[in-house]
Amino acid sequence: KAGVTQTPRYLIKTRGQQVTLSCSPISGHRSVSWYQQTPGQGLQFLFEYFSETQRNKGNFPGRFSGRQFSNSRSEMNVSTLELGDSALYLCASSSESGTIYFGEGSWLTVV
Amino acid sequence: DQQVKQNSPSLSVQEGRISILNCDYTNSMFDYFLWYKKYPAEGPTFLISISSIKDKNEDGRFTVFLNKSAKHLSLHIVPSQPGDSAVYFCAASATNTGANSKLTFGKGITLSVRP
Repeated sequence: KAGVTQTPRYLIKTRGQQVTLSCSPISGHRSVSWYQQTPGQGLQFLFEYFSETQRNKGNFPGRFSGRQFSNSRSEMNVSTLELGDSALYLCASSSESGTIYFGEGSWLTVV
Repeated sequence: DQQVKQNSPSLSVQEGRISILNCDYTNSMFDYFLWYKKYPAEGPTFLISISSIKDKNEDGRFTVFLNKSAKHLSLHIVPSQPGDSAVYFCAASATNTGANSKLTFGKGITLSVRP
């Protein structure tokens, strides 16, 4: 069974640009959540989608948004990138049992 | 305010000995707890979880203990192996609020197992 797949793995963007990250959950998992990991703040919850609806949201500005498609795949978007947005962005999927599995992450560097 | 705390940033143990990683939480709404292992440049790997209705869960060399009254949990690894060297994160969620996938993480603890 394939795990959580995230693309791209690495990317470099310039301040002011926008970026879209993609996530394919484990087959059969309907919940997809996103996390940001930085050295200073650790792992922080961004938002969760379930059946194409945002179910929970963390404390991030509106520049961070996401969506989920009917096949449970999800994308997150960050607009007007800032240097502080440089981080590892992790996608996770969970089944009804509640165990949450993470992908390898997308490393974003903003220059 | 940090709701999940891993107060020791690092731990070093001898191969074959027991590793005990501690975690404290402050939010009484948390009822589901997970431990993840993470290598640099990789996503966290799920290790073991425990629901608040239990006080112990065991899976091979990994055992998690939960003390609800103290709001404390610990991960025991016995015996420790060099391959266990990684960063370990404690995470918690409040499933009774519907926020099953909203995990709150501790800062992590770096475990080094010496051969």
